[in-house]
Amino acid sequence: GAVVSQHPSWVICKSGTSVKIECRSLDFQATTMFWYRQFPKQSLMLMATSNEGSKATYEQGVEKDKFLINHASLTLSTLTVTSAHPEDSSFYICSARWTGPGNTIYFGEGSWLTVV
Amino acid sequence: GESVGLHLPTLSVQEGDNSIINCAYSNSASDYFIWYKQESGKGPQFIIDIRSNMDKRQGQRVTVLLNKTVKHLSLQIAATQPGDSAVYFCAETIIQGAQKLVFGQGTRLTINP
Repeated sequence: GAVVSQHPSWVICKSGTSVKIECRSLDFQATTMFWYRQFPKQSLMLMATSNEGSKATYEQGVEKDKFLINHASLTLSTLTVTSAHPEDSSFYICSARWTGPGNTIYFGEGSWLTVV
Repeated sequence: GESVGLHLPTLSVQEGDNSIINCAYSNSASDYFIWYKQESGKGPQFIIDIRSNMDKRQGQRVTVLLNKTVKHLSLQIAATQPGDSAVYFCAETIIQGAQKLVFGQGTRLTINP
């Protein structure tokens, strides 16, 4: 079946630095990818919709200058957390929509970010 | 953001019993619904989906029921097993136009031996 891969699986960074998380669709092309953030014991919160070749659409309350999203190809979207702070520590999950029959949405395994 | 929940509802069932997890969705225009299972520290896993032109869909040990009148979904898991312990989320979207997938608050299912 379709697979979505995230890298890194976990990362620790110092406060004030930037960190990039990659989301790849391994065996299908995804014109649309989604980025979520999940805090402990909470649901997934949609941060932004990433569209290949165009600007991402951010949800209300999500700072686009802090969470930079780039969807440069049909198989890769990146999320860069700029000037990270401890409150940005969270589980970041991406998903990709398969445009074939069924329109299924596949999720990556998530990336743990800890800002110290 | 959407779907923020401070506390996950919990459901405990005995191994071998059936469990029913409920979900209320928010957008009456949503026409595609998905149940996901999330184990600790992992991304969501697809369980079963249903389109708005259906009321019921069955999979292996799982059944999803959709009531569009009251905007309600349920996931029934038959003969629960220890491996079913996880957090279960419903999600809704609109298929046309690659609309975003919005998650419900989730329910933690615990299977007691």
